[in-house]
Parts: sequence; C-alpha cells; structure tokens
Amino acid sequence: SQTIHQWPATLVQPVGSPLSLECTVEGTSNPNLYWYRQAAGRGLQLLFYSVGIGQISSEVPQNLSASRPQDRQFILSSKKLLLSDSGFYLCAWIGLAGSAGELFFGEGSRLTVL
Amino acid sequence: SQKIEQNSEALNIQEGKTATLTCNYTNYSPAYLQWYRQDPGRGPVFLLLIRENEKEKRKERLKVTFDTTLKQSLFHITASQPADSATYLCALDMGSNYQLIWGAGTKLIIKP
Repeated sequence: SQTIHQWPATLVQPVGSPLSLECTVEGTSNPNLYWYRQAAGRGLQLLFYSVGIGQISSEVPQNLSASRPQDRQFILSSKKLLLSDSGFYLCAWIGLAGSAGELFFGEGSRLTVL
Repeated sequence: SQKIEQNSEALNIQEGKTATLTCNYTNYSPAYLQWYRQDPGRGPVFLLLIRENEKEKRKERLKVTFDTTLKQSLFHITASQPADSATYLCALDMGSNYQLIWGAGTKLIIKP
C-alpha cells in the first residue's frame, strides 16, 4: 500500500533562518507531488507541484522553493524565513495523473517563525 | 476567479441526527468536487468525489449531492456520532493543471 511520510512534524525557527521540509512517498512510482500551506481559517494554498524528477511548478511567488531530487522525494526549502511563513505545511500525492484523483496527504509540518 | 465558500461557523449537531454541510462556488461548475475530513493537527483525508454529471454519491453513512444550477454541494452524515467531529473541507477540481480549489472548511461538532 502507498504511504506518505513528512518531517519534521513541528519546528520553531527564527526569522532569517533556513528551512528544509522533506516528504517521501512509498508504494507508488512517478506520483504527482504537491506542497500546500494551510493558514488558520483559510483554504489550502497550493505552493508547488511536481509531475516528475526535477520538474517543479510554482503557484505562488514567495521566498520558498521546492525540489524533487528523486522520484518519490519532494523537498520544501527557504534560505531566509519570514514571519509570514508560519503555518501548517502539507505534502500530498495523487495517484492518477491529472484530475479525478484523490489526494493523499502527509501528517503535516507545523512551522512557527519567531 | 473561481471562489468556494463553506460556512465558517462551527456546526453543532446532536448525536444520532443528520449533519448537513454546505459548499457553494461561484462562476463555472467544476468537473469534479471532492470532500475531505481533517482532524486537528493532521492532514486531510479523502472521503468522496462527485462528478458534474452525477446528482448524488453515497458511501456508508455519507452522502454528497451536487447541484450545478445552484452551484452547490451538500455533504450529509446520517446517524452522526461524536467520532464524526472534525473539520470537513470541500475542494473543486476544474479538470486541468493538477489543481484543486479549496474551501476553508466547516468544523462539525457532534454532541453526545
């Protein structure tokens, strides 16, 4: 069966520090991968998605970046965090290419920037 | 641009009753509409998907309807239980670009 792992679960970082969140998927190959951010009281905001190794599409201009060094690995990074980067970050994959597929989410990473 | 609205106020329902959550959208109808459950501090979990040419979809105690005239989807939980308490999210799939448009979710509280 397919599983998705995301870490760390919680982190507190000072403003200006770097960030690295990692997500890996098991039990499937060539998945479409997504990074979302969820702010309190708001819908999930799509940050990045990837359809293959090295292929990253950015949906929101910001100081975050994403990379996909391996087929089932997706990394969210920042060189210098801002206060506004605080939030709940979720990695997800979709089994079917394109639409009509459900998203499977990781457990999330709670980031607090102080 | 497409917007999606869910009731931001928590919905309190007595155990055993039917809970009904609403998802309204603007502009053109999505190809698909999905419902997810999210528990505090956890990632959303997929529940049901309904296509634009489907009026209704059922799964155990769950039922979803899709009215493209009203631009609305209703999510029903029959014989509700305290374990059904969670935030429920709806998401529109416009059929392209691998993206879903998400509602902010409605918090459902089932009281014993």
